[in-house]
Amino acid sequence: AQSVAQPEDQVNVAEGNPLTVKCTYSVSGNPYLFWYVQYPNRGLQFLLKYITGDNLVKGSYGFEAEFNKSQTSFHLKKPSALVSDSALYFCAVRALDYGGSQGNLIFGKGTKLSVKP
Amino acid sequence: NAGVMQNPRHLVRRRGQEARLRCSPMKGHSHVYWYRQLPEEGLKFMVYLQKENIIDESGMPKERFSAEFPKEGPSILRIQQVVRGDSAAYFCASSPLPLVRDRKNTGKLFFGEGSRLTVL
Repeated sequence: AQSVAQPEDQVNVAEGNPLTVKCTYSVSGNPYLFWYVQYPNRGLQFLLKYITGDNLVKGSYGFEAEFNKSQTSFHLKKPSALVSDSALYFCAVRALDYGGSQGNLIFGKGTKLSVKP
Repeated sequence: NAGVMQNPRHLVRRRGQEARLRCSPMKGHSHVYWYRQLPEEGLKFMVYLQKENIIDESGMPKERFSAEFPKEGPSILRIQQVVRGDSAAYFCASSPLPLVRDRKNTGKLFFGEGSRLTVL
């Protein structure tokens, strides 16, 4: 069964400092991995994805994520946090399974990022 | 180019009433996904529909919940005889192709802003 774990309910960072939001996954086969962001009372917005290729993926708003197959992780990072980055971040996974599953995204519980000035 | 439109944004129902949530996908998208967001539980997949067909309803509760996506008009998520535990934010997402075949944009779902159901 596919699953995603976001071990931290909340991450607090000072503005200007680097941030990391953690994600680990479990999937049979090669994973498709994603990060989405949700601002208060809004829908989810796509940030970035890993399909294949370089382990370091760059996305919107200066975010990047590093795929680590041996650790089954896909942590979200940003070198310098902004107050406006404060939001709820979701990691998601889908198995590359063309033979069966419709490939719906499985989301983690979300990590609340709080960036203080 | 309008995004995914959901209405109502907020809905209040008393126990036992019916709730109908509507979702109009992005223009050109014929695949719709419904997710439910409960506090402290993240986003849970409910159902995936294509025009006039339910493709995957593995996340739908067996009773009281139903979904449709008619040839014309929005997709509708219907909850009959609501209970307090149905209180949640319900999100609709759309994609132009089935995720399993969308190699270019695979996994990139376009979400609406959600419908927040409160059951009194």
